[in-house]
This record gives sequence, structure tokens and C-alpha cells, in this order.
Amino acid sequence: DADVTQTPRNRITKTGKRIMLECSQTKGHDRMYWYRQDPGLGLRLIYYSFDVKDINKGEISDGYSVSRQAQAKFSLSLESAIPNQTALYFCATGLGTPYNEQFFGPGTRLTVL
Amino acid sequence: AQKITQTQPGMFVQEKEAVTLDCTYDTSDQSYGLFWYKQPSSGEMIFLIYQGSYDEQNATEGRYSLNFQKARKSANLVISASQLGDSAMYFCAMREGLNGGSQGNLIFGKGTKLSVKP
Repeated sequence: DADVTQTPRNRITKTGKRIMLECSQTKGHDRMYWYRQDPGLGLRLIYYSFDVKDINKGEISDGYSVSRQAQAKFSLSLESAIPNQTALYFCATGLGTPYNEQFFGPGTRLTVL
Repeated sequence: AQKITQTQPGMFVQEKEAVTLDCTYDTSDQSYGLFWYKQPSSGEMIFLIYQGSYDEQNATEGRYSLNFQKARKSANLVISASQLGDSAMYFCAMREGLNGGSQGNLIFGKGTKLSVKP
């Protein structure tokens, strides 16, 4: 089984709808992250969480919210989706030192019409 | 200012040849890590190789090696004996220490698209 899973893998929705993307991990890491990838822009950090009670905004948090329901679960919500939120979304987990890589989920392709 | 710069949006390499993907970084932190990830067309992010700022030897992982030049703040990825399956996007990334201003988060470059020709 994959260490970091994301659901759904693909989603098409309409402008104004509320969408939740879910992430679960079995790696036992405290840190979890949500990234967004747009063509030519690399990955940009939306939100990150160092533990269940510690949630922080990243570079591009406007229009998004998150919930850390447990150490293993971190969900991303788009309260009112808009077309420019069409992107590939990644969840990742990691340890707290600079010397450890982050482990990525398979990604969720979100299209907002 | 960009913290990670990948100056090659796209590159071509002949199968079986070596290729170098460039990455420069900017940090004032003494403790940091440099990473390369591969993203094939299927979309997943695959960790390739890591170099710590205090590592004296260049990192190697199979056909991947990292040419780390600390004074120049560069961390180029070298792929030897390219294969068709190496065609993908490659991202360079950096994690600073917790005091480095980025909370120890991973900062990505914009990527280089590598195409391997048969």
C-alpha cells in the first residue's frame, strides 16, 4: 500500500462549489503539506502543519483552508472553487530536519469549470 | 528573489549519453539540504537524490549524481547513460534549517523538462 494517499485522484467541479481533497499517510510523520502545481511554476506551498495543533499558511493560501484531523490525516478545502484553482494538488509528509526528503502522494487533478 | 533557480526550461539528450541539469540556490543558512525530484508524465513526484550542506562528498544514487559546489551555490544533477524512461520534469528543491526563514519547508525550482531521444 502507498505511504501517502490522496482522494480523489481526479475531480471536475463547477465554479462556486465547495471541494475537499483528502490526504492520509502511514509514514508516521508529524509534518504534512499541501502543494499546488501549475505548468511552468513548479510546486507552491499552500498550507503546512507541523502537528495536529500547528497549522500554517504557505505561499498561496488565499481561497483555501485545511484541517488536520489526526496525525495521519490532512485535508484541503476550496470553499468556493474558481477556475484559476484548476491545478494538480499534492499532499506530502516529512520529518522536521533539512536532511530528510518529503514523501509525496500521487496528486489530485482538479478542474474547475 | 528566487531561492531556487533552474535556468533550463527544456533539454534534449541522446539516449546513452550523460546530461547535466542545472540548479542554483540562494540561502544564508549554514544548514540546508538540496533535493532532486523527478516527475514523469504520469504526474507523481519521485525523490531521486539528496545533498546536505555539510556533506563533503557529492551524493550519488545509481545513475544519478549531484555536483555540489557550495561556494557557487550550485547543485547540478548529472544523469549518466540516459534512458528513454528518464524523459520527465526534474525539480531541484531546498530545505533550510528551522531558522532559515522558510520554516524548514521545501522550496522548489520551476523545473527542467528533459527529453531523451532514441
